[in-house]
Amino acid sequence: NAGVTQTPKFRILKIGQSMTLQCTQDMNHNYMYWYRQDPGMGLKLIYYSVGAGITDKGEVPNGYNVSRSTTEDFPLRLELAAPSQTSVYFCASTTGQGTIAFFGQGTRLTVV
Amino acid sequence: EDQVTQSPEALRLQEGESSSLNCSYTVSGLRGLFWYRQDPGKGPEFLFTLYSAGEEKEKERLKATLTKKESFLHITAPKPEDSATYLCAVHHNYGQNFVFGPGTRLSVLP
Repeated sequence: NAGVTQTPKFRILKIGQSMTLQCTQDMNHNYMYWYRQDPGMGLKLIYYSVGAGITDKGEVPNGYNVSRSTTEDFPLRLELAAPSQTSVYFCASTTGQGTIAFFGQGTRLTVV
Repeated sequence: EDQVTQSPEALRLQEGESSSLNCSYTVSGLRGLFWYRQDPGKGPEFLFTLYSAGEEKEKERLKATLTKKESFLHITAPKPEDSATYLCAVHHNYGQNFVFGPGTRLSVLP
């Protein structure tokens, strides 16, 4: 089992550019999450999904979009990148509500 | 509003010097409290889940305890390889989200 895999690991974007952060898991988990982590702050939830075809906003969804067409994949789309989106992004999955979360290795994004 | 705070923000210990990390939480209907370890440049890695006040879990040099308002992560005779950021998170009964604290950055010096 690879667990949760995120790509890319690092990326530099210019203001106004767009990109997709990829996340895939091979544990057949229904629940998947996208978090961002900023220095000195806790992980903040961007979007989550409880199953294929179902997504919902988290605490900080503005400027992001997601889709969940399969159980395995949960890509995060950044449209019109802004410096405020400079952060480390983590994807996670769980078997169900309130169960152990498995995290990917993260994507470090810098918007210049 | 659900809230999780952790103290201290950073902690430096000598190898073998035991100490405790604190996680204080305010949440309506606690489903579970989670401790994760995060190494630099890596994603958080699960350590413990605690579900009710009075519960304790142990793993090697780490022991986690839970009360109605806080959790402690006790580190006994730490080694340099215990150096990491330790994150606390709570999950409540009515939502899908984990609420994470900002973490405690632990450094254990040889």
